[in-house]
Amino acid sequence: NAGVTQTPKFQVLKTGQSMTLQCAQDMNHEYMSWYRQDPGMGLRLIHYSVGAGITDQGEVPNGYNVSRSTTEDFPLRLLSAAPSQTSVYFCASSYSPGTSTEAFFGQGTRLTVV
Amino acid sequence: AQTVTQSQPEMSVQEAETVTLSCTYDTSESDYYLFWYKQPPSRQMILVIRQEAYKQQNATENRFSVNFQKAAKSFSLKISDSQLGDAAMYFCAYRSYNQGGKLIFGQGTELSVKP
Repeated sequence: NAGVTQTPKFQVLKTGQSMTLQCAQDMNHEYMSWYRQDPGMGLRLIHYSVGAGITDQGEVPNGYNVSRSTTEDFPLRLLSAAPSQTSVYFCASSYSPGTSTEAFFGQGTRLTVV
Repeated sequence: AQTVTQSQPEMSVQEAETVTLSCTYDTSESDYYLFWYKQPPSRQMILVIRQEAYKQQNATENRFSVNFQKAAKSFSLKISDSQLGDAAMYFCAYRSYNQGGKLIFGQGTELSVKP
């Protein structure tokens, strides 16, 4: 019963490098999302997906790219890392809306861009 | 656009005592959900309690209860008989009824529990 699995847990990047944060869920959830957490700002939505092949931007999408080719996977790509992207990143999944179902979160990725 | 505000960056409570964390939100919608999430030092996001806006009755989960005031757009969390394990960051979150996957979070309240 894995739930939502995020990899890696920690990452250090140099400015300008690219990388992909992986997210997988085994609950057959339709909705998946990426958030970033910064001190004093809570969690802010980066991108989300309502199903395979469908993605949309959240509150802070600049510098990030996503795709959803399968129901299970929702990777987040940093195209050219910047120090401002130093943050903790969370992936979450949930069932379709119209219910009070909770969102299930991965364990987070602490990313440092130097 | 909806917003969520937690005006208490830090709170402290004595073990076995009761503490209330505040949350206000702004929305023009009538159907929505509200959540409180707990984030211990492990970083894991744990759902504490949820409230459906159409329900007048306040949600309760063991030692955790909410005071949901829809007209005032207020959603506070009360923790009774506080335990050392309650020490964590607490986030209030809002979700529109038909927008799964889009949670709007408050800034968080860091709760410490004194033995």
